[in-house]
Amino acid sequence: QKEVEQNSGPLSVPEGAIASLNCTYSDRGSQSFFWYRQYSGKSPELIMFIYSNGDKEDGRFTAQLNKASQYVSLLIRDSQPSDSATYLCAVNRNAGNMLTFGGGTRLMVKP
Amino acid sequence: DAGVIQSPRHEVTEMGQEVTLRCKPISGHNSLFWYRQTMMRGLELLIYFNNNVPIDDSGMPEDRFSAKMPNASFSTLKIQPSEPRDSAVYFCASSSDRVVLFFGSGTQLSVL
Repeated sequence: QKEVEQNSGPLSVPEGAIASLNCTYSDRGSQSFFWYRQYSGKSPELIMFIYSNGDKEDGRFTAQLNKASQYVSLLIRDSQPSDSATYLCAVNRNAGNMLTFGGGTRLMVKP
Repeated sequence: DAGVIQSPRHEVTEMGQEVTLRCKPISGHNSLFWYRQTMMRGLELLIYFNNNVPIDDSGMPEDRFSAKMPNASFSTLKIQPSEPRDSAVYFCASSSDRVVLFFGSGTQLSVL
């Protein structure tokens, strides 16, 4: 079992819809959870992070964390074609440890 | 700030040659990471430095790979000898808190 698992996709949604990206992790000691966006041919860039159970909102993005289920998700409201990219989930155990990345989910937003 | 700077952007070499990738982290960041990304294996951590000291190199695939950080503003990743299976995008990232990472543009390495 991989430490961080994501469906590789592609996930296709129409413009204006809500895109839901999911991630599961195996280490119950994981403390911090991150979503990075990577456009084709570019480097990953941080979208947001979450530490506590529940929801965290930032603009059109909402991260959801459920530690009991070892599940973290990213919702993108009012999806735009410019949101088309690969979304990488990453977790770490504590501030002294390194991030472990999932394989990423490719999102396609169709006009 | 210019961000994390990597060079070269692209490197094409022949099997058996030595390859050196370079990275300048963001000024003031005390942690530096080297990652490798391939379609098959995704983004893998190779080595991590904190305050110029290698902390964890368990991700370095084999002895052909070595990394150095002689000072706070420069790091190298060297592959000697290179092999076709080393072909990948190599990213350098830096951080001030070992949590939020800022990635460079990457080096696309092709070993023929």
